[in-house]
Amino acid sequence: QKEVEQNSGPLSVPEGAIASLNCTYSDRVSQSFFWYRQYSGKSPELIMSIYSNGDKEDGRFTAQLNKASQYVSLLIRDSQPSDSATYLCAVKTLTGSDQFYFGTGTSLTVIP
Amino acid sequence: NAGVTQTPKFQVLKTGQSMTLQCAQDMNHNSMYWYRQDPGMGLRLIYYSASEGTTDKGEVPNGYNVSRLNKREFSLRLESAAPSQTSVYFCASSEDRGVGYTFGSGTRLTVV
Repeated sequence: QKEVEQNSGPLSVPEGAIASLNCTYSDRVSQSFFWYRQYSGKSPELIMSIYSNGDKEDGRFTAQLNKASQYVSLLIRDSQPSDSATYLCAVKTLTGSDQFYFGTGTSLTVIP
Repeated sequence: NAGVTQTPKFQVLKTGQSMTLQCAQDMNHNSMYWYRQDPGMGLRLIYYSASEGTTDKGEVPNGYNVSRLNKREFSLRLESAAPSQTSVYFCASSEDRGVGYTFGSGTRLTVV
């Protein structure tokens, strides 16, 4: 079982809609959770971090964390074509060498 | 503010050749990391350095060595390149191990 699982997609949404990206993780003692955006051929860019249960909003982005169910999600409101990218979920876990584990990413396409 | 600078951006090696990937950050971050990204595998940690003078193995360290030359610089060396090391390599840094990363622009390495 992978440490962090994401649906690879592709996920397509129309412009202006809400895009919902999900991530599950296996280590119950995971502490920190991050969402990165990666455009094709570019490096990942940190867009959200969340450390406690509940919602955290930053502009059009909302991260949601549910530690009991071991999932973290990212909502993108009013999706724009410029949001088309791969979104990576990362989890900091205490398993092994106390490192981050990344999911394989979900590809999002926003259709104009 | 350059952030994290990686060199080279592209490299082709023959099997058995050696090379060093260079990484430097100007954000006064304590922690630095080397990841590789392969299709369908996500980002996997090769080595990390929590502070100047320390290095630790990550998930996939075999075939690699690292040097934390000073607080700014963290290099990755392939002593005898193999086709399995064909990948995109990312260097990253963070203020400490609990916060999100800033990534460099990546090195596309092909071993033939």
